[in-house]
Amino acid sequence: KAGVTQTPRYLIKTRGQQVTLSCSPISGHRSVSWYQQTPGQGLQFLFEYFSETQRNKGNFPGRFSGRQFSNSRSEMNVSTLELGDSALYLCASSLDTMNTEAFFGQGTRLTVV
Amino acid sequence: DQQVKQNSPSLSVQEGRISILNCDYTNSMFDYFLWYKKYPAEGPTFLISISSIKDKNEDGRFTVFLNKSAKHLSLHIVPSQPGDSAVYFCAASAGSNYQLIWGAGTKLIIKP
Repeated sequence: KAGVTQTPRYLIKTRGQQVTLSCSPISGHRSVSWYQQTPGQGLQFLFEYFSETQRNKGNFPGRFSGRQFSNSRSEMNVSTLELGDSALYLCASSLDTMNTEAFFGQGTRLTVV
Repeated sequence: DQQVKQNSPSLSVQEGRISILNCDYTNSMFDYFLWYKKYPAEGPTFLISISSIKDKNEDGRFTVFLNKSAKHLSLHIVPSQPGDSAVYFCAASAGSNYQLIWGAGTKLIIKP
């Protein structure tokens, strides 16, 4: 079966712009989590969506938002981009609970200039 | 404040020998722990997990040990193979639906 698909793979944006990243989970998976990874840091949890509802949220500013659609596909949006938002953004899907075996996409590499 | 710490940024091991990756945590509420492996340009891949009711879990060449009193877990890989060269992350949570807290990762290099 198809894995987790994230689009786009690479993105370059200018400070102040906004960006939308997309994640298609594995078919049948209802939980989608988003993470930010920067060099030398572990994965920082952004939020988790389950059945179109945000079920968990990390400690990121309100510029970071997300949503999930009825087909479980999820998008995350970052507004008013800052240089420090440059990172690898990873999406993970799992069947129901967030912390059972989660499958990650390849990530979207965002560079803010 | 890092609740999950992987104090070794990198580790080099001879092929065929044992690799031991360590992880320490500070939050006594953590009761579920996972290890993930990550290759460059790929997302992390789940390796093995352990809940706090156990002190050991094995899956093939991979064994995770949990020492709750020391708030320490370790991943043993025996024997180490070249394909094991990757970054290994440990992660912990206080329940199956609470956010995972991740360590910074340890880069494992298997030398031929």
